[in-house]
Amino acid sequence: DAKTTQPNSMESNEEEPVHLPCNHSTISGTDYIHWYRQLPSQGPEYVIHGLTSNVNNRMASLAIAEDRKSSTLILHRATLRDAAVYYCILRDVRNTDKLIFGTGTRLQVFP
Amino acid sequence: EAEVAQSPRYKITEKSQAVAFWCDPISGHATLYWYRQILGQGPELLVQFQDESVVDDSQLPKDRFSAERLKGVDSTLKIQPAELGDSAMYLCASSLGASGGAYNEQFFGPGTRLTVL
Repeated sequence: DAKTTQPNSMESNEEEPVHLPCNHSTISGTDYIHWYRQLPSQGPEYVIHGLTSNVNNRMASLAIAEDRKSSTLILHRATLRDAAVYYCILRDVRNTDKLIFGTGTRLQVFP
Repeated sequence: EAEVAQSPRYKITEKSQAVAFWCDPISGHATLYWYRQILGQGPELLVQFQDESVVDDSQLPKDRFSAERLKGVDSTLKIQPAELGDSAMYLCASSLGASGGAYNEQFFGPGTRLTVL
């Protein structure tokens, strides 16, 4: 299974943009890039996913490098509610919906 | 908004005792997952069901853990006997299931926090 590397923690101020990096140098052509986040005392929740092109939804944007060896989750204006652990996950499309979580990035947001 | 239900939310038990966790997925979701999350780590998949069938239990410690989803709806995860190292959060998730290659996001429940003394 392909691996991802994320910083252990990051900090941001409220209402500022946040760029959460993820390295996945061993990504294969059948791997999708997924982001989930886990708020304190809750189960993880889906944020966004993509294959090659950048993706936008109401929660965030996903920027994927041209060689697909890295990606960045962008929160355009951080709020206190965005404080969570963010997981970058590679999902092999041949392996249905199986997700393999790493340790993620803990994002702190300050007022 | 539909949610995945889990019970109990907290469970304290002594080692060598049996424990069971229950999960009720979102209505209509064919795929159900059980994860274990040790403090400070990401969730680890234990077992995946498609309807009532197990499709992946490669990480389930089968000497002490069992899981069932008899009617393809709700599910039970059992540990017997519990060991100190089983202390963790047990998360249940569900998704619509495979459909023509499109991704179906997983919806997670609030989890059951197990403490083994």
